[in-house]
Amino acid sequence: SAVISQKPSRDICQRGTSLTIQCQVDSQVTMMFWYRQQPGQSLTLIATANQGSEATYESGFVIDKFPISRPNLTFSTLTVSNMSPEDSSIYLCSVARQGRETQYFGPGTRLLVL
Amino acid sequence: QQQVKQSPQSLIVQKGGISIINCAYENTAFDYFPWYQQFPGKGPALLIAIRPDVSEKKEGRFTISFNKSAKQFSLHIMDSQPGDSATYFCAASIRSGTYKYIFGTGTRLKVLA
Repeated sequence: SAVISQKPSRDICQRGTSLTIQCQVDSQVTMMFWYRQQPGQSLTLIATANQGSEATYESGFVIDKFPISRPNLTFSTLTVSNMSPEDSSIYLCSVARQGRETQYFGPGTRLLVL
Repeated sequence: QQQVKQSPQSLIVQKGGISIINCAYENTAFDYFPWYQQFPGKGPALLIAIRPDVSEKKEGRFTISFNKSAKQFSLHIMDSQPGDSATYFCAASIRSGTYKYIFGTGTRLKVLA
């Protein structure tokens, strides 16, 4: 398994501002993913964070809105830019090791946009 | 073709009963099927997973049944306990390539004491 931490755990933000969420894992992992989970809903993959290259975004998600960094094998950030109330969600990072299909999830960041 | 359909949306079971949650998929390229348990305010935690080369996998009170021809799989929770009350998600992925998960819509389970 992996121990994953996310910061902040929750935040309340004003419309039009940006928030950067950090994801830290306790050991090197190959794959890191960012998900969005709207209240009472399932998980939707935003993007795969690639180490040393641009993230791979899923349909409906764009880099300008959700810029992602992954400077090394244990850390990634997701920024939610120019926020609107529709961005109010739980944002989760997950990790997987080389050649292993199991993903382990962080505790999530609960975002409320007013 | 990328969807995973999950049912029921919610489930109420008496303590000691059997909870059954079903998932169905279309894409025959899927070859890994995990189940996750999520408590309020927490991230999803892996419960049990199966690959299509087996029809059943059991870990403690949790069993996955897999029907490859019907493209269906289900989670059975035996002797359900109030502590099992959580939301359960099935998922599917393709092991080669990016290992991306497609999640089901979730089942909110409540086990009555």
